[in-house]
Amino acid sequence: DAGVTQSPTHLIKTRGQQVTLRCSPKSGHDTVSWYQQALGQGPQFIFQYYEEEERQRGNFPDRFSGHQFPNYSSELNVNALLLGDSALYLCASSQNLAGGSYEQYFGPGTRLTVT
Amino acid sequence: QKEVEQNSGPLSVPEGAIASLNCTYSDRGSQSFFWYRQYSGKSPELIMFIYSNGDKEDGRFTAQLNKASQYVSLLIRDSQPSDSATYLCAVNGGYQKVTFGTGTKLQVIP
Repeated sequence: DAGVTQSPTHLIKTRGQQVTLRCSPKSGHDTVSWYQQALGQGPQFIFQYYEEEERQRGNFPDRFSGHQFPNYSSELNVNALLLGDSALYLCASSQNLAGGSYEQYFGPGTRLTVT
Repeated sequence: QKEVEQNSGPLSVPEGAIASLNCTYSDRGSQSFFWYRQYSGKSPELIMFIYSNGDKEDGRFTAQLNKASQYVSLLIRDSQPSDSATYLCAVNGGYQKVTFGTGTKLQVIP
């Protein structure tokens, strides 16, 4: 049973560039959430996708956008990169159950460095 | 006030002792609570979840929830050096948005 996968593992970009990160959820999961984790901090919620729509969004600017595909995989896009966007980007998947358990399982993350 | 608060530590305990990690949250409507373990440079790993008041045990781990006092704790019995990591408390407020604390760094001394 494959867990959550993310690609790429590491990425180096220049300020102003755009980046796309990818995530495949755990088998049987239909909900994908994206988080940003700066060094020494807890993960910060970016947004969540379910049924190919953004269902919840955290306090992140519109430069952060996403997409979910019919196979439940997801992309996170960040435009006009800033130095402060350097972080570990985590994808978490969960199963949308009636009554909601919301147990999320994380992928290995993508380390983004903006220079 | 932060939504989810944890003492950043480090919390140092000798091998074999009980490690006690605490977390408080501000949203009284929170419905589900999670503990994640994160090793340096790795992603968080779900180790416990709890939804109802009281205790939940899984092996060496016990999660405790007190909704009236808005706190959740994690006890690790017979602590091992391999338990040395940062422990993240996470709270779900009922809208699929999970809020994390900043984590408590645990050091188990051999």
